[in-house]
Amino acid sequence: AQRVTQPEKLLSVFKGAPVELKCNYSYSGSPELFWYVQYSRQRLQLLLRHISRESIKGFTADLNKGETSFHLKKPFAQEEDSAMYYCALVRVVYGNNRLAFGKGNQVVVIP
Amino acid sequence: NAGVTQTPKFQVLKTGQSMTLQCAQDMNHNSMYWYRQDPGMGLRLIYYSASEGTTDKGEVPNGYNVSRLNKREFSLRLESAAPSQTSVYFCASSSQGLAGGHEQFFGPGTRLTVL
Repeated sequence: AQRVTQPEKLLSVFKGAPVELKCNYSYSGSPELFWYVQYSRQRLQLLLRHISRESIKGFTADLNKGETSFHLKKPFAQEEDSAMYYCALVRVVYGNNRLAFGKGNQVVVIP
Repeated sequence: NAGVTQTPKFQVLKTGQSMTLQCAQDMNHNSMYWYRQDPGMGLRLIYYSASEGTTDKGEVPNGYNVSRLNKREFSLRLESAAPSQTSVYFCASSSQGLAGGHEQFFGPGTRLTVL
């Protein structure tokens, strides 16, 4: 089955501390992965996609095919990073592309 | 560009009532989606429409129906609302293009409470 696992529901970190959100996937073939972020009572928005290999708002995520992981990292957490983060995987179902989302990580940055 | 818009933003229903959630996008996207978001469950796909004129069931379609009215609009209908359908509903769209075109753009959500 093609799915995404985010093992931790809630992550509390102090401002300035590193933050790492874990994402593991199961997929046969070359996966396409994303991180989406949802700030309080706002819509989901794309944070990162693995094919871009870019850093957004200080966040990076590296695809590790050996470990089937796509962990999200930031060296120094800021208060504005408090949000819900979702890892997502592109699934092909009957020829159509869909996203499979993990259950999400709630990040709370403590001032 | 408004992106993806949804109406209403909030709704309270009584058990057994019906309602339609509206979604529209102005990005000329082929594909549109309806999700529900529940604490601890993440986002679950209810229905999607790969292109105008087609709709398919997602993970949790029971109790819902959809209509892809045209390329811009994709509505979600609850025929007989149940308390288990209390949730936040998100509409999304994507171009379904190749090489990274699978990004989905989300609407602001509809917060539905069924009493």
